[in-house]
Amino acid sequence: AQTVTQSQPEMSVQEAETVTLSCTYDTSESDYYLFWYKQPPSRQMILVIRQEAYKQQNATENRFSVNFQKAAKSFSLKISDSQLGDAAMYFCAYRSPRNQGAQKLVFGQGTRLTINP
Amino acid sequence: DTEVTQTPKHLVMGMTNKKSLKCEQHMGHRAMYWYKQKAKKPPELMFVYSYEKLSINESVPSRFSPECPNSSLLNLHLHALQPEDSALYLCASSQDPGGFTDTQYFGPGTRLTVL
Repeated sequence: AQTVTQSQPEMSVQEAETVTLSCTYDTSESDYYLFWYKQPPSRQMILVIRQEAYKQQNATENRFSVNFQKAAKSFSLKISDSQLGDAAMYFCAYRSPRNQGAQKLVFGQGTRLTINP
Repeated sequence: DTEVTQTPKHLVMGMTNKKSLKCEQHMGHRAMYWYKQKAKKPPELMFVYSYEKLSINESVPSRFSPECPNSSLLNLHLHALQPEDSALYLCASSQDPGGFTDTQYFGPGTRLTVL
């Protein structure tokens, strides 16, 4: 079974600075998808970024980028120019390969990010 | 547009009540999901409907009964719940079950309290 580990329960960063959230996973599959979701106090889970395992290029969405190291099974999220609105719980998630029907997301335990003004 | 709506936002019910949670999406997504999330924990999958058929049931107690009347609507019927069932219930949908673009988008959740 796949597992996802987020080793940082809490992190904090000064506004406008850069922070990196860590995520490692364990799988025997060669093709899969990885996601970062954020969940602010409003509760809604919001997709931040997605990475396909077969792509070597790291995904980027505006101020958010990932460092995907397939061999090391590592998938970290970098937030540049941190803003107060980035404060949230961040979940790393894994999804099994395609062509196997709807699959569940396997989530890490989450990292609570605080932005200090 | 990646909007998934859920009603109600909050629900308080007694252990003998029967209530339902509703989830709706109009994005043409063909898979819909129910998750349960306890405080400070990640979401846990309960059910998945793929093309309006139940495809995954994560051994959820029978006091939770899902229903997918059509491709846009997902219900979760609740009966004889226990206080430990109090949680945030999240609905999600994805466009192409198992396919290349299968990314799950979540609704805002229903906060359920069982007295």
